[in-house]
Amino acid sequence: AQTVTQSQPEMSVQEAETVTLSCTYDTSENNYYLFWYKQPPSRQMILVIRQEAYKQQNATENRFSVNFQKAAKSFSLKISDSQLGDTAMYFCAFMTPGAGSYQLTFGKGTKLSVIP
Amino acid sequence: DSGVTQTPKHLITATGQRVTLRCSPRSGDLSVYWYQQSLDQGLQFLIHYYNGEERAKGNILERFSAQQFPDLHSELNLSSLELGDSALYFCASSSPDRGNNEQFFGPGTRLTVL
Repeated sequence: AQTVTQSQPEMSVQEAETVTLSCTYDTSENNYYLFWYKQPPSRQMILVIRQEAYKQQNATENRFSVNFQKAAKSFSLKISDSQLGDTAMYFCAFMTPGAGSYQLTFGKGTKLSVIP
Repeated sequence: DSGVTQTPKHLITATGQRVTLRCSPRSGDLSVYWYQQSLDQGLQFLIHYYNGEERAKGNILERFSAQQFPDLHSELNLSSLELGDSALYFCASSSPDRGNNEQFFGPGTRLTVL
């Protein structure tokens, strides 16, 4: 079974600064995908960024980037130029296309607060 | 707006009752996933339907069941409700058959069991 671990239950960052959220996972699969989802106070789940395991290049989406270390099974999220709207729960998630199903396995989440 | 709709937004009911949560996926998405988010268990996968057929089951209780209809909307039925069933229930849809396994989440249904 796959597991996802987020070791930082809460973090805070000053507005305009950079913050890194950690995520590690455990799997014996070779073909998988990793995601970071954001859940603001509205509770909506919003995809922030995705990474395919077969791609060596780290994914980036504007101010969001990942550091994907496949051998270490690590997938951290870096948020640059933090904004107040980044305040949210962030969930790391793992997906492997096993038996035709692509369900997500989530970590427990990291609550990020951006301080003005 | 993800394009996934869920009704109702909030549901308050009593222990022992039965409720039905409804989900309409994005246009053209054949896959519907149900997830439960609770304080105790975090976000957990419940069940996956693809084009009307059950594809995978996660940590879904026997008191819970789901189905996907020919128009692709899905319903999650929760029966003999207990206090511990209080949670936020999400559905998500995707189109892996179109080479896109990204899941788009609905706004969720907040269930409170009193």
